[in-house]
Amino acid sequence: DTAVSQTPKYLVTQMGNDKSIKCEQNLGHDTMYWYKQDSKKFLKIMFSYNNKELIINETVPNRFSPKSPDKAHLNLHINSLELGDSAVYFCASSLDRGTFSGNTIYFGEGSWLTVV
Amino acid sequence: DAKTTQPNSMESNEEEPVHLPCNHSTISGTDYIHWYRQLPSQGPEYVIHGLTSNVNNRMASLAIAEDRKSSTLILHRATLRDAAVYYCILRWNYGGSQGNLIFGKGTKLSVKP
Repeated sequence: DTAVSQTPKYLVTQMGNDKSIKCEQNLGHDTMYWYKQDSKKFLKIMFSYNNKELIINETVPNRFSPKSPDKAHLNLHINSLELGDSAVYFCASSLDRGTFSGNTIYFGEGSWLTVV
Repeated sequence: DAKTTQPNSMESNEEEPVHLPCNHSTISGTDYIHWYRQLPSQGPEYVIHGLTSNVNNRMASLAIAEDRKSSTLILHRATLRDAAVYYCILRWNYGGSQGNLIFGKGTKLSVKP
Protein backbone atom coordinates (compact mmCIF):
# COMPACT_ATOMS: atom_id res chain seq x y z
CA ASP A 1 0.00 0.00 0.00
CA THR A 2 1.41 3.34 -1.05
CA ALA A 3 0.99 5.86 1.76
CA VAL A 4 1.25 9.00 -0.37
CA SER A 5 0.56 8.50 -4.04
CA GLN A 6 0.71 11.05 -6.79
CA THR A 7 -0.19 10.93 -10.47
CA PRO A 8 1.11 11.24 -13.05
CA LYS A 9 4.68 10.22 -12.31
CA TYR A 10 5.93 11.75 -15.54
CA LEU A 11 4.40 14.60 -17.49
CA VAL A 12 5.72 16.29 -20.62
CA THR A 13 3.72 19.22 -21.89
CA GLN A 14 4.02 22.34 -23.97
CA MET A 15 4.37 25.89 -22.75
CA GLY A 16 1.07 27.59 -22.17
CA ASN A 17 -0.83 24.42 -21.32
CA ASP A 18 -2.75 23.83 -18.09
CA LYS A 19 -2.04 20.64 -16.16
CA SER A 20 -2.90 19.01 -12.85
CA ILE A 21 -1.04 16.68 -10.54
CA LYS A 22 -3.14 14.62 -8.16
CA CYS A 23 -2.16 13.47 -4.70
CA GLU A 24 -3.83 11.12 -2.26
CA GLN A 25 -2.76 9.86 1.16
CA ASN A 26 -4.23 6.86 2.95
CA LEU A 27 -2.61 7.54 6.31
CA GLY A 28 -5.49 9.43 7.85
CA HIS A 29 -3.33 12.53 8.16
CA ASP A 30 -4.74 16.03 8.57
CA THR A 31 -1.94 17.98 6.91
CA MET A 32 -0.76 17.80 3.32
CA TYR A 33 1.97 19.64 1.42
CA TRP A 34 3.37 20.33 -2.00
CA TYR A 35 7.13 20.67 -2.41
CA LYS A 36 9.08 21.58 -5.54
CA GLN A 37 12.57 20.28 -6.34
CA ASP A 38 14.29 22.23 -9.08
CA SER A 39 17.14 21.27 -11.38
CA LYS A 40 19.68 22.21 -8.69
CA LYS A 41 17.99 19.70 -6.39
CA PHE A 42 16.77 22.26 -3.86
CA LEU A 43 13.54 21.18 -2.18
CA LYS A 44 11.19 24.02 -1.30
CA ILE A 45 7.76 24.02 0.24
CA MET A 46 5.02 25.53 -1.90
CA PHE A 47 1.78 24.95 -0.03
CA SER A 48 0.42 23.33 3.07
CA TYR A 49 -3.17 22.41 3.88
CA ASN A 50 -4.59 21.35 7.22
CA ASN A 51 -8.03 19.75 7.15
CA LYS A 52 -8.70 21.19 3.69
CA GLU A 53 -7.70 24.67 4.80
CA LEU A 54 -4.73 26.49 3.27
CA ILE A 55 -2.20 27.32 5.98
CA ILE A 56 1.00 27.95 4.06
CA ASN A 57 1.36 29.64 0.73
CA GLU A 58 4.98 30.40 0.00
CA THR A 59 5.99 32.82 -2.72
CA VAL A 60 4.55 30.87 -5.60
CA PRO A 61 3.09 32.37 -8.79
CA ASN A 62 -0.69 32.45 -8.72
CA ARG A 63 -0.64 30.19 -11.80
CA PHE A 64 -0.24 27.45 -9.20
CA SER A 65 -3.48 26.65 -7.43
CA PRO A 66 -3.81 23.85 -4.90
CA LYS A 67 -7.20 22.28 -4.31
CA SER A 68 -8.16 20.01 -1.44
CA PRO A 69 -11.56 18.35 -1.98
CA ASP A 70 -11.12 16.42 1.26
CA LYS A 71 -8.32 15.96 3.75
CA ALA A 72 -7.01 12.87 1.96
CA HIS A 73 -6.46 14.69 -1.31
CA LEU A 74 -4.42 17.71 -2.34
CA ASN A 75 -4.23 18.37 -6.04
CA LEU A 76 -1.98 20.89 -7.75
CA HIS A 77 -3.25 22.73 -10.80
CA ILE A 78 -0.86 24.77 -12.90
CA ASN A 79 -2.06 27.27 -15.49
CA SER A 80 -0.11 28.64 -18.44
CA LEU A 81 2.91 26.44 -17.91
CA GLU A 82 6.33 28.01 -18.39
CA LEU A 83 9.72 26.46 -19.07
CA GLY A 84 10.83 27.34 -15.54
CA ASP A 85 8.06 25.20 -14.09
CA SER A 86 10.00 22.10 -15.12
CA ALA A 87 10.83 20.35 -11.87
CA VAL A 88 9.92 17.43 -9.67
CA TYR A 89 6.86 18.07 -7.53
CA PHE A 90 6.48 16.12 -4.30
CA CYS A 91 3.29 15.72 -2.37
CA ALA A 92 3.60 14.96 1.34
CA SER A 93 1.49 14.51 4.44
CA SER A 94 1.85 14.54 8.21
CA LEU A 95 -0.40 13.68 11.13
CA ASP A 96 -1.03 17.33 11.94
CA ARG A 97 0.90 20.49 12.63
CA GLY A 98 0.26 20.73 16.29
CA THR A 99 1.97 17.96 18.16
CA PHE A 100 5.22 17.73 20.06
CA SER A 101 6.02 14.33 18.69
CA GLY A 102 8.31 15.49 15.91
CA ASN A 103 5.58 14.84 13.39
CA THR A 104 7.14 12.85 10.61
CA ILE A 105 6.38 14.00 7.09
CA TYR A 106 5.75 11.30 4.51
CA PHE A 107 6.57 12.09 0.89
CA GLY A 108 5.23 10.70 -2.33
CA GLU A 109 7.54 9.47 -5.07
CA GLY A 110 7.35 12.67 -7.06
CA SER A 111 5.91 13.87 -10.35
CA TRP A 112 8.48 14.78 -13.00
CA LEU A 113 7.13 17.72 -14.98
CA THR A 114 8.91 18.78 -18.17
CA VAL A 115 7.69 21.83 -20.04
CA VAL A 116 8.88 22.09 -23.65
CA ASP B 1 14.53 28.80 10.55
CA ALA B 2 18.05 28.22 11.84
CA LYS B 3 20.53 27.00 9.26
CA THR B 4 22.59 23.84 9.14
CA THR B 5 25.94 23.14 7.53
CA GLN B 6 26.80 19.75 6.08
CA PRO B 7 29.63 18.48 3.88
CA ASN B 8 28.61 18.32 0.23
CA SER B 9 29.60 14.69 -0.15
CA MET B 10 31.03 11.70 1.69
CA GLU B 11 32.14 8.23 0.71
CA SER B 12 31.88 5.02 2.62
CA ASN B 13 32.65 1.37 2.11
CA GLU B 14 29.88 -1.15 2.31
CA GLU B 15 29.33 -2.70 5.76
CA GLU B 16 31.38 0.01 7.49
CA PRO B 17 29.93 2.62 9.85
CA VAL B 18 29.24 6.09 8.50
CA HIS B 19 29.22 9.29 10.52
CA LEU B 20 27.45 12.17 8.83
CA PRO B 21 28.13 15.49 10.58
CA CYS B 22 25.90 18.54 10.83
CA ASN B 23 26.65 21.91 12.35
CA HIS B 24 23.86 24.11 13.64
CA SER B 25 25.52 26.73 15.79
CA THR B 26 22.45 29.03 15.84
CA ILE B 27 20.04 26.37 17.07
CA SER B 28 17.41 27.60 19.51
CA GLY B 29 15.85 25.80 22.43
CA THR B 30 12.68 24.99 20.52
CA ASP B 31 14.44 23.46 17.50
CA TYR B 32 14.32 19.73 16.96
CA ILE B 33 17.05 18.15 14.82
CA HIS B 34 15.57 16.10 12.00
CA TRP B 35 17.29 13.92 9.43
CA TYR B 36 15.73 12.92 6.16
CA ARG B 37 17.30 11.19 3.21
CA GLN B 38 16.47 11.09 -0.46
CA LEU B 39 17.36 8.05 -2.50
CA PRO B 40 17.84 8.57 -6.25
CA SER B 41 14.57 9.31 -8.05
CA GLN B 42 12.51 9.05 -4.87
CA GLY B 43 10.89 11.37 -2.39
CA PRO B 44 12.59 12.28 0.89
CA GLU B 45 12.30 9.70 3.65
CA TYR B 46 12.34 10.29 7.40
CA VAL B 47 15.37 8.87 9.17
CA ILE B 48 15.43 10.10 12.76
CA HIS B 49 14.96 13.15 14.95
CA GLY B 50 15.94 14.32 18.41
CA LEU B 51 16.02 17.28 20.77
CA THR B 52 18.77 16.86 23.35
CA SER B 53 19.43 13.20 24.04
CA ASN B 54 20.97 10.70 21.66
CA VAL B 55 18.41 8.67 19.77
CA ASN B 56 18.42 5.23 18.19
CA ASN B 57 16.02 3.58 15.80
CA ARG B 58 16.15 0.72 13.34
CA MET B 59 17.63 2.91 10.62
CA ALA B 60 20.26 4.95 12.42
CA SER B 61 21.50 6.67 15.55
CA LEU B 62 21.60 10.37 16.23
CA ALA B 63 24.32 11.76 18.46
CA ILE B 64 23.68 15.30 19.66
CA ALA B 65 26.44 17.42 21.15
CA GLU B 66 25.94 18.60 24.70
CA ASP B 67 25.67 22.24 23.58
CA ARG B 68 23.38 21.14 20.70
CA LYS B 69 25.43 23.09 18.19
CA SER B 70 26.25 20.01 16.21
CA SER B 71 24.96 16.50 15.65
CA THR B 72 26.02 13.34 13.87
CA LEU B 73 23.91 10.81 12.06
CA ILE B 74 25.39 7.35 12.41
CA LEU B 75 24.66 4.51 10.02
CA HIS B 76 26.09 1.49 11.78
CA ARG B 77 26.69 -0.64 8.70
CA ALA B 78 26.35 1.10 5.38
CA THR B 79 24.71 -0.81 2.56
CA LEU B 80 24.50 0.08 -1.11
CA ARG B 81 20.89 1.02 -0.50
CA ASP B 82 22.03 3.76 1.89
CA ALA B 83 23.52 5.77 -0.98
CA ALA B 84 21.42 8.93 -0.89
CA VAL B 85 21.42 12.62 -0.07
CA TYR B 86 21.09 13.10 3.68
CA TYR B 87 19.48 16.28 4.96
CA CYS B 88 19.96 17.67 8.45
CA ILE B 89 17.07 20.01 9.24
CA LEU B 90 16.17 22.14 12.23
CA ARG B 91 12.46 22.32 12.84
CA TRP B 92 11.05 24.53 15.55
CA ASN B 93 8.35 23.13 17.77
CA TYR B 94 6.65 25.51 20.17
CA GLY B 95 3.27 26.10 21.66
CA GLY B 96 1.59 23.26 19.83
CA SER B 97 2.83 24.31 16.41
CA GLN B 98 5.74 23.22 14.29
CA GLY B 99 7.78 24.88 11.62
CA ASN B 100 8.16 23.62 8.10
CA LEU B 101 10.94 21.37 6.91
CA ILE B 102 13.48 23.68 5.30
CA PHE B 103 15.81 21.57 3.18
CA GLY B 104 19.40 22.61 2.55
CA LYS B 105 21.85 21.05 0.13
CA GLY B 106 22.44 17.95 2.22
CA THR B 107 25.31 15.46 2.06
CA LYS B 108 25.50 13.09 -0.86
CA LEU B 109 26.63 9.74 0.51
CA SER B 110 28.25 7.28 -1.86
CA VAL B 111 28.70 3.67 -0.75
CA LYS B 112 31.36 1.54 -2.42
CA PRO B 113 31.03 -2.25 -2.60
